[in-house]
Amino acid sequence: DAKTTQPNSMESNEEEPVHLPCNHSTISGTDYIHWYRQLPSQGPEYVIHGLTSNVNNRMASLAIAEDRKSSTLILHRATLRDAAVYYCILRWSQGNLIFGKGTKLSVKP
Amino acid sequence: GAGVSQTPSNKVTEKGKYVELRCDPISGHTALYWYRQSLGQGPEFLIYFQGTGAADDSGLPNDRFFAVRPEGSVSTLKIQRTERGDSAVYLCASSLVGQGGTGELFFGEGSRLTVL
Repeated sequence: DAKTTQPNSMESNEEEPVHLPCNHSTISGTDYIHWYRQLPSQGPEYVIHGLTSNVNNRMASLAIAEDRKSSTLILHRATLRDAAVYYCILRWSQGNLIFGKGTKLSVKP
Repeated sequence: GAGVSQTPSNKVTEKGKYVELRCDPISGHTALYWYRQSLGQGPEFLIYFQGTGAADDSGLPNDRFFAVRPEGSVSTLKIQRTERGDSAVYLCASSLVGQGGTGELFFGEGSRLTVL
């Protein structure tokens, strides 16, 4: 499986935008870029996914580099409830999600 | 409820005992996944069902671990001769496959297994 590289941790201030980076230089043409997050003591939850074009939904935006070797998850206004571990995952079609260690996001009031 | 339900939420057992963990997926979801998560690590894939059959069981660590989904809905993860290293949170997820092949996974809250 193609792997992703994320910073171990990041900090943000409440109500400020957060940009969470992910490198995936070995991505293949059929890999989708998925983001999940895991709040403390909960199971992971889906955030967003994309293939080539940038994507927006109610939770976040996903910016994908033109060569698809990196992507950025954007939280437009961080809240305390956004403090979680964020996982960037490459997934082919109907394949499994293979999680890495993710980025632990802390949000300061 | 409408979400993925896992029971028990907590299980404490002794080394060498047999354990069963149950997962009730979202109604109508054809795909079901089992993961386990140790402290400070991301979820580790164990097995994936498509309907009643195991489409990928490559993540099962050894033959002490077995999972079934006899009617294509509820699944049971079975662990024989438990070891202390099996202690972890066991997560179940379900999804609809066929939504462009990228159906999101819905996770339960997990079953925390502690082997003494």
